[in-house]
Amino acid sequence: ILNVEQSPQSLHVQEGDSTNFTCSFPSSNFYALHWYRWETAKSPEALFVMTLNGDEKKKGRISATLNTKEGYSYLYIKGSQPEDSATYLCASTGGGNKLTFGTGTQLKVEL
Amino acid sequence: NAGVMQNPRHLVRRRGQEARLRCSPMKGHSHVYWYRQLPEEGLKFMVYLQKENIIDESGMPKERFSAEFPKEGPSILRIQQVVRGDSAAYFCASSLSGKETQYFGPGTRLLVL
Repeated sequence: ILNVEQSPQSLHVQEGDSTNFTCSFPSSNFYALHWYRWETAKSPEALFVMTLNGDEKKKGRISATLNTKEGYSYLYIKGSQPEDSATYLCASTGGGNKLTFGTGTQLKVEL
Repeated sequence: NAGVMQNPRHLVRRRGQEARLRCSPMKGHSHVYWYRQLPEEGLKFMVYLQKENIIDESGMPKERFSAEFPKEGPSILRIQQVVRGDSAAYFCASSLSGKETQYFGPGTRLLVL
């Protein structure tokens, strides 16, 4: 994998459903994996930064895992709520500090 | 503690004019990054600055674009002689150190007529 890729591109779920998305990134020269939540007309909001293989982070109903050997991260949302509707971005950093972003997963939670 | 501030939020310029975008990092942050989102594309890195120094400008177009982060005052992204293809959302982020979380501002939407 040469670029950061996210799937699916968009997702519609019902309130109360649990869901997950995937981020794939180059495993060579890896330093950190970032997840952001981005609502329209607002700033991207930092969720997690993970660096170690096997890392797991949790913030309320949202959690993330990291596999640096195979180059992927999962973001999980438990019991989705309408306010979780947003675009979820992942980004990786290699040896430098610049973030290389995926194109995001657009989540819509319906009542 | 105020977050990252950007101004203006919206900027309209005619072709050939100059655009100046400002970014005030979070208090205590000395690392600033600029990213650009072209229509229908994702966020792309442009430049990374640390007080008075450009650390990485590998994402900056070679011509017409420049960035600075003076000892006092905000970081400035300057686009000279704008063209329609410069129309995009420009986001600034800041961090406490080079390896930590980058916090984003609300962006400046530039429209070139």
